[in-house]
Amino acid sequence: SQQGEEDPQALSIQEGENATMNCSYKTSINNLQWYRQNSGRGLVHLILIRSNEREKHSGRLRVTLDTSKKSSSLLITASRAADTASYFCATVGTDSWGKFQFGAGTQVVVTP
Amino acid sequence: EPEVTQTPSHQVTQMGQEVILRCVPISNHLYFYWYRQILGQKVEFLVSFYNNEISEKSEIFDDQFSVERPDGSNFTLKIRSTKLEDSAMYFCASRVGGGSYNEQFFGPGTRLTVL
Repeated sequence: SQQGEEDPQALSIQEGENATMNCSYKTSINNLQWYRQNSGRGLVHLILIRSNEREKHSGRLRVTLDTSKKSSSLLITASRAADTASYFCATVGTDSWGKFQFGAGTQVVVTP
Repeated sequence: EPEVTQTPSHQVTQMGQEVILRCVPISNHLYFYWYRQILGQKVEFLVSFYNNEISEKSEIFDDQFSVERPDGSNFTLKIRSTKLEDSAMYFCASRVGGGSYNEQFFGPGTRLTVL
């Protein structure tokens, strides 16, 4: 698999439920960032977690990072229909000029 | 709040034509990037640019592609002779500086359609 692979590929939930998606990566990273993309639109930055951090919160978002397992998770609590989007993790390697390696994304559908 | 802007939002061109995609990064940012996303696929890195030169590029970024920062504010991506497979959304991004803790800010993208 490639750097920054998310699972599941698709997630369908009801409003009010929590949505959890995971990201795995292969190489050492400086940081990992999560982005959201509505269909055919731009990338919206959600949260950045540094390699020396284990957990971060931002509103209804909770991100964890386990560098020993080379994995991260994004939890959206109390989901809303407006959370329907694709979610991508992007990693910045230690040997790069800050370029991102994106995963294929998790497509989340939240039904009212 | 400062943002990265891109023009045009949608470009339609004939195969073999040259296109120039324009980006205005955030003014105090020093690192600039182009990415592309073919419909239904993941976002792919094309090139990074720092101190008026390419710092890193991917295999996709072949001789048909070039970038420049002609006037200190615009950051352009040129495709010399477009192919059908160049049809994609192209995203510009910028970052304030080095170090591992800086967020990349993305523009809204330019959708390129090659006919």
